[in-house]
Amino acid sequence: GAGVSQSPSNKVTEKGKDVELRCDPISGHTALYWYRQRLGQGLEFLIYFQGNSAPDKSGLPSDRFSAERTGESVSTLTIQRTQQEDSAVYLCASSSGTGRQYFGPGTRLTVT
Amino acid sequence: RKEVEQDPGPFNVPEGATVAFNCTYSNSASQSFFWYRQDCRKEPKLLMSVYSSGNEDGRFTAQLNRASQYISLLIRDSKLSDSATYLCVVNFNKFYFGSGTKLNVKP
Repeated sequence: GAGVSQSPSNKVTEKGKDVELRCDPISGHTALYWYRQRLGQGLEFLIYFQGNSAPDKSGLPSDRFSAERTGESVSTLTIQRTQQEDSAVYLCASSSGTGRQYFGPGTRLTVT
Repeated sequence: RKEVEQDPGPFNVPEGATVAFNCTYSNSASQSFFWYRQDCRKEPKLLMSVYSSGNEDGRFTAQLNRASQYISLLIRDSKLSDSATYLCVVNFNKFYFGSGTKLNVKP
């Protein structure tokens, strides 16, 4: 079956612009996570959606970052007024509970 | 204190060697445990789940010690293709990732 997909795969943007990243989770997965991974670094948790519960936004680094999820489907991560330090790979993962997470291929964001 | 801690390495080993990684976690009520593998510039992929009784998958053996709150991964007869970063993952209400242990297997 289809795995987690993310778009775009690469995004180059100018400092100060807004960007929107998309994640399509595996159908039926109630949980969806966003992570950031800077070059050579570990995964940095950003936000977690679980069903209809209020999202866990504890990892969002600033108010320039926000995310939405429509029901148990698509999620978008928005970064406003991008800065160079936002350059990273943004990974999305979904799961059906406490079972394994399935990752998408990521979006590589470069802020110039 | 981080929820999950790992030695970042790198571990540099020759082909055929046996290598072991440990990982500690802070929440005693953690419910499920995993090892993921991440190749350079790729997304993490599940290597194996970790069960209380320990489990084996070919050359890989995972152990869980709930009393001491650590997880281990043993790789026997290392292959060049095992070179990657190994991520320890713990679930307590949500997933917590360690920062990874880098393994380099040399010819």
